[in-house]
Amino acid sequence: QSALTQPASVSESPGQSITISCTGTSSDVGSYNLVSWYQQHPGKAPKLMIYDVRKRPSGVSNRFSGSKSGNTASLTISGVQAEDEADYYCCSYAGSGTLVFGGGTKLTVL
Amino acid sequence: QVQLVQSGAEVKKPGASVKVSCKASGYTFSGYYMNWVRQAPGQGLEWMGWINPNSGGTQYAQKFQGRVTMTRDMSITTAYMELSSLRSDDTAVYYCARDMGNYFDFWGQGTLVTVSS
Repeated sequence: QSALTQPASVSESPGQSITISCTGTSSDVGSYNLVSWYQQHPGKAPKLMIYDVRKRPSGVSNRFSGSKSGNTASLTISGVQAEDEADYYCCSYAGSGTLVFGGGTKLTVL
Repeated sequence: QVQLVQSGAEVKKPGASVKVSCKASGYTFSGYYMNWVRQAPGQGLEWMGWINPNSGGTQYAQKFQGRVTMTRDMSITTAYMELSSLRSDDTAVYYCARDMGNYFDFWGQGTLVTVSS
């Protein structure tokens, strides 16, 4: 299956909000409420930020939120901080026990 | 506390095979699927497949069918990922990740596999 589509990069000033999109198809994002988001700093393993479209694991800041409309999921970061600068990846269940990741989005905090 | 500790870096020649291990601790190993995800240098994450430690059942991404084998040893709570017929574009960091239901809450530290003649 093809990777989900994310913008390659986004940038914003500290304190502002940013939304990263993740576009799939009716076979993955559009069919299941099983989208997760991961944050990855350079040289580190990914960290779970959102699961099941909009649920936040314990310990993750409430500045991070998720949503979905049709075949597109979104991650919103409110009040962006310098520490949020990282790569972000979406992931969706794609049926038949398979998963697919997005290409990743590099967030730059100006 | 949950920990996934992977084996060390490997250097392999094209055509060879590599087997990466992932030692799990801090939770009931049989209760959670283990997934493998890889990341080529400067590239994104790529899902490879999962193993059900309880049954040994597996599901692989179509791209890796025929080249990847995921196994486990329940006695030492360790999962393995073996990739054969290595090519230069298999050079990547390979991660194991605990599956909570189509999302991953704990990840290993990653194992760099370099394929070079």
